[in-house]
Amino acid sequence: DAGVTQSPTHLIKTRGQQVTLRCSPKSGHDTVSWYQQALGQGPQFIFQYYEEEERQRGNFPDRFSGHQFPNYSSELNVNALLLGDSALYLCASRRDRGLNTEAFFGQGTRLTVV
Amino acid sequence: AQSVAQPEDQVNVAEGNPLTVKCTYSVSGNPYLFWYVQYPNRGLQFLLKYITGDNLVKGSYGFEAEFNKSQTSFHLKKPSALVSDSALYFCAVRDSLYNTDKLIFGTGTRLQVFP
Repeated sequence: DAGVTQSPTHLIKTRGQQVTLRCSPKSGHDTVSWYQQALGQGPQFIFQYYEEEERQRGNFPDRFSGHQFPNYSSELNVNALLLGDSALYLCASRRDRGLNTEAFFGQGTRLTVV
Repeated sequence: AQSVAQPEDQVNVAEGNPLTVKCTYSVSGNPYLFWYVQYPNRGLQFLLKYITGDNLVKGSYGFEAEFNKSQTSFHLKKPSALVSDSALYFCAVRDSLYNTDKLIFGTGTRLQVFP
């Protein structure tokens, strides 16, 4: 079992550019969530995808968007990058059998905006 | 409002001694509580969870946590610390009232175990 896999592991972008991050959930998982972890902080919830639709969204601007594919994999897109978007982006997956199931996290994508 | 507090930025303990990493929470409904560990340049690794039932829950690598409803706490414990336990630990809560997948994380506690 490969667990949650994310690509790329590291990325450097320039202010104003756009970026796409990718996530493959753990086998058997159908729900994918994205988190932003700034340096020295805990992860902050961006949004969640289930059945190819955004089910819930955190306090992030519309520059942050996503997609879930029929195979449950997901993408996070960020437009018009700002220096403050530099962070570790974490993807988490779980099997949607109620709120008591734990989320499994990928190793993250380290985004640096210069 | 939903929140998690981890009052200690860092906890230092000698190898072989017991360790405690503190966590308190605030939710509107019943809490679903989780502990995760993060090693350098890695994602979060699940340790244990409290959903309902026994207040003492056991998890991976000899860790356990005690749920205390009256104190709204969920402290992480281990009877005998190992140097390899040195890492960043996050407490997280999911609020049952809002039917949400969203995890609210604390700011993390760095555990340093000295040989």
